[in-house]
Amino acid sequence: QVQLQESGPGLVKPSETLSLTCTVSGGSMNSYFWSWIRQPPGKGLEWLGNIYYSGGSNYNPSLNSRVTISLDTSKTQFSLNLYSVTAADTAVYYCATSLRAVAGDFDQWGQGTLVIVSS
Amino acid sequence: DIQMTQSPSSLSASVGDRVTITCRASQSISRYLNWYRQKPGKAPELLIYAVSTLQSGVPSGFSGSGSGTDFTLTISSLQPEDFATYYCQQSYSIPWTFGQGTKVEIK
Repeated sequence: QVQLQESGPGLVKPSETLSLTCTVSGGSMNSYFWSWIRQPPGKGLEWLGNIYYSGGSNYNPSLNSRVTISLDTSKTQFSLNLYSVTAADTAVYYCATSLRAVAGDFDQWGQGTLVIVSS
Repeated sequence: DIQMTQSPSSLSASVGDRVTITCRASQSISRYLNWYRQKPGKAPELLIYAVSTLQSGVPSGFSGSGSGTDFTLTISSLQPEDFATYYCQQSYSIPWTFGQGTKVEIK
């Protein structure tokens, strides 16, 4: 069974870059879409973007081009970079995928990692 | 972006109650509608995809219906583990978007 695990700093300063990695274990990254989703404390879910195993990516326009997602299949990891962060980017960040190899729903999630943006 | 609106935002119910949650899309999304349950402090879990297909391992007490812009999630008999927040999500067009959530609390 594929498992996902997020890792990265829990505290980022305003205007800096938030960088997270999701490590995939128990299966191949081939044929799947890999997404990042976040949830501010006490609020709802926001899809940030995804990357296909071949490298093509899509992003949420609400992030105003502040986000990139990259893939390293040799390490079975994919990463999120969110630039020029503000306090509004404080959230639990999840990596997720669908084992049915579809882009738009998520049946496997990491446990989530809280990132606080503060000086 | 497609806006997803859930109602109610919260409800109180008892174990064994039948519960219905509604989700409305700002435009037609055909049958590209998914439902998730999120327990406190945990990641969401997929319950239903494509309006009415139960994810593997999800109890049959969950069901979904609808098409176009209006959808419902029904829990036929609430269990203790079902007191949680539920989200709908459209997978019709990017950016994928979620409803604001419906919190199901114990009466």
